[in-house]
Amino acid sequence: AQKVTQAQTEISVVEKEDVTLDCVYETRDTTYYLFWYKQPPSGELVFLIRRNSFDEQNEISGRYSWNFQKSTSSFNFTITASQVVDSAVYFCALSEGMEYGNKLVFGAGTILRVKS
Amino acid sequence: DADVTQTPRNRITKTGKRIMLECSQTKGHDRMYWYRQDPGLGLQLIYYSFDVKDINKGEISDGYSVSRQAQAKFSLSLESAIPNQTALYFCAPEGRVSSYEQYFGPGTRLTVT
Repeated sequence: AQKVTQAQTEISVVEKEDVTLDCVYETRDTTYYLFWYKQPPSGELVFLIRRNSFDEQNEISGRYSWNFQKSTSSFNFTITASQVVDSAVYFCALSEGMEYGNKLVFGAGTILRVKS
Repeated sequence: DADVTQTPRNRITKTGKRIMLECSQTKGHDRMYWYRQDPGLGLQLIYYSFDVKDINKGEISDGYSVSRQAQAKFSLSLESAIPNQTALYFCAPEGRVSSYEQYFGPGTRLTVT
């Protein structure tokens, strides 16, 4: 069965600090997708990244970076030089199969609070 | 994004009432999903549809029903609302080949009193 664990319920940092959000997943499939979503206080879900199981290259997008390690079943998300606007709930999610995104299994989310 | 509309955006209803949440999208996506978000639990899949004639139950379908009236529309109904169905509900059409992203609608905040 699929499972996504985000062990950090809540993280507080001061602006400009780097912060890493952890995500550990379980799946029996060899082909799967991993996702990160951001949910700001306004409530909408914002897609951040999708990574397939065959691509272990780390990805960087501005201040955001993702570290995918199949050996530890982890897909961690780092925000460099955090800003107050980064305050949100962040969800990691998993879908099995390579056809479209398929059904998503979400972690419980990590609340990130960035203080000025 | 997938131009997803959810109505209503906020709703307060009483226990035992029937309520329908509607979702429509303008991008022609075949697949659509309904998720529910409870605090501290992330999102859970209620129902999903791969096309108009294909409806499937998700993890937590009890107490819910759905209708896929057209490719663009996927409605979620609570036949007899109960307080523990108070949650944030998201509709998500599924993007095609070029994106493989799953976009989410703006959400419907439902409170059952």
